[in-house]
Amino acid sequence: DTEVTQTPKHLVMGMTNKKSLKCEQHMGHRAMYWYKQKAKKPPELMFVYSYEKLSINESVPSRFSPECPNSSLLNLHLHALQPEDSALYLCASSQVVAGTTYEQYFGPGTRLTVT
Amino acid sequence: GNSVTQMEGPVTLSEEAFLTINCTYTATGYPSLFWYVQYPGEGLQLLLKATKADDKGSNKGFEATYRKETTSFHLEKGSVQVSDSAVYFCALDSWGKFQFGAGTQVVVTP
Repeated sequence: DTEVTQTPKHLVMGMTNKKSLKCEQHMGHRAMYWYKQKAKKPPELMFVYSYEKLSINESVPSRFSPECPNSSLLNLHLHALQPEDSALYLCASSQVVAGTTYEQYFGPGTRLTVT
Repeated sequence: GNSVTQMEGPVTLSEEAFLTINCTYTATGYPSLFWYVQYPGEGLQLLLKATKADDKGSNKGFEATYRKETTSFHLEKGSVQVSDSAVYFCALDSWGKFQFGAGTQVVVTP
């Protein structure tokens, strides 16, 4: 099973709302990622968790708050977003063995629209 | 720093034509190289990979060879189908951080 699931598939939120995106994998992967993808652009890395600890934060605004409750779950909490934050948010995971990270497997994404 | 350069699209071709998408990279060390495909409205799917020089990755009729001397990882398919219409991303992995190319849109017409 190489599936990464994400919920919800679509999300529309106002600039004062608080919402969360969820990601789950059951492949035993110990690295999980959040990416933001704008139309016709490649994914941009936001956060990396390795063994449930935040290892990379690519200078993402504090209105995005990641959380990794356990090795299978990854959340992205959203608060006071701006219209320019509208994008496809992708979650990915990868195996880590002896410090070596392998290929990433992506979920289908959450299409976020901020009004 | 690391970077990946892909040929610009869109690439438009007829069914059963030969497809090549060029990808070159700049990196320190010996990164792993990947091709991902993204169909409309979906996430990225791993298409193939190569982890060391001269490795050939292949999947679903697609192939790419890791060429260290030319720092390239060109994607090829001998006979495309309409269902191959998608955006293709070349990527490298350097210490767990992926660097993606800009993506190349491929449109295959019947």
